[in-house]
Amino acid sequence: NAGVMQNPRHLVRRRGQEARLRCSPMKGHSHVYWYRQLPEEGLKFMVYLQKENIIDESGMPKERFSAEFPKEGPSILRIQQVVRGDSAAYFCASSPPVGGGEKLFFGSGTQLSVL
Amino acid sequence: QKEVEQNSGPLSVPEGAIASLNCTYSDRVSQSFFWYRQYSGKSPELIMSIYSNGDKEDGRFTAQLNKASQYVSLLIRDSQPSDSATYLCAETSGGSYIPTFGRGTSLIVHP
Repeated sequence: NAGVMQNPRHLVRRRGQEARLRCSPMKGHSHVYWYRQLPEEGLKFMVYLQKENIIDESGMPKERFSAEFPKEGPSILRIQQVVRGDSAAYFCASSPPVGGGEKLFFGSGTQLSVL
Repeated sequence: QKEVEQNSGPLSVPEGAIASLNCTYSDRVSQSFFWYRQYSGKSPELIMSIYSNGDKEDGRFTAQLNKASQYVSLLIRDSQPSDSATYLCAETSGGSYIPTFGRGTSLIVHP
């Protein structure tokens, strides 16, 4: 029973490039969350999605960031024209359809480094 | 804006002692509370959830909730070096499925 799968584990980009982070939720889970974590800081909520639907994106920066969770395939967090301040660990989490965010199961994260 | 406050630590305790981790929250309608453990370089892992005032025990872990004081704590009995990690407190308010996390408390259990 695979857990939440994130890839890549490490992603290096130069300023101005695009970063695509992928997340496949646990089997049977229909909710996906993206969080960002900077060193010595807690997890900051970015976006909450269900299949083909963005439920809450109140934590997403207004520009350059977007997320999707298509009917088929993984959820994608896309960062356009990356800047050094985007360097962080990005965690995806999933939860079952009943109870929503009551209990989150996290993936291993993607460490984004912007040169 | 909801806030979850934790002392960043580090909290250092000797092996076998009780580690006490504390968390306060600002939203009076918060209903569900969670403790996650995060080892260095790893992802958070849920270890406890609590919904009602009082204590909830699970093995060496006890979560305590006091909604009147807006305070939740985690006690770890017989602390082991393997408990050394960052402990994140999180809460959700009624109707929201989005947990808000504190910055975490670093715990060091020394032999």
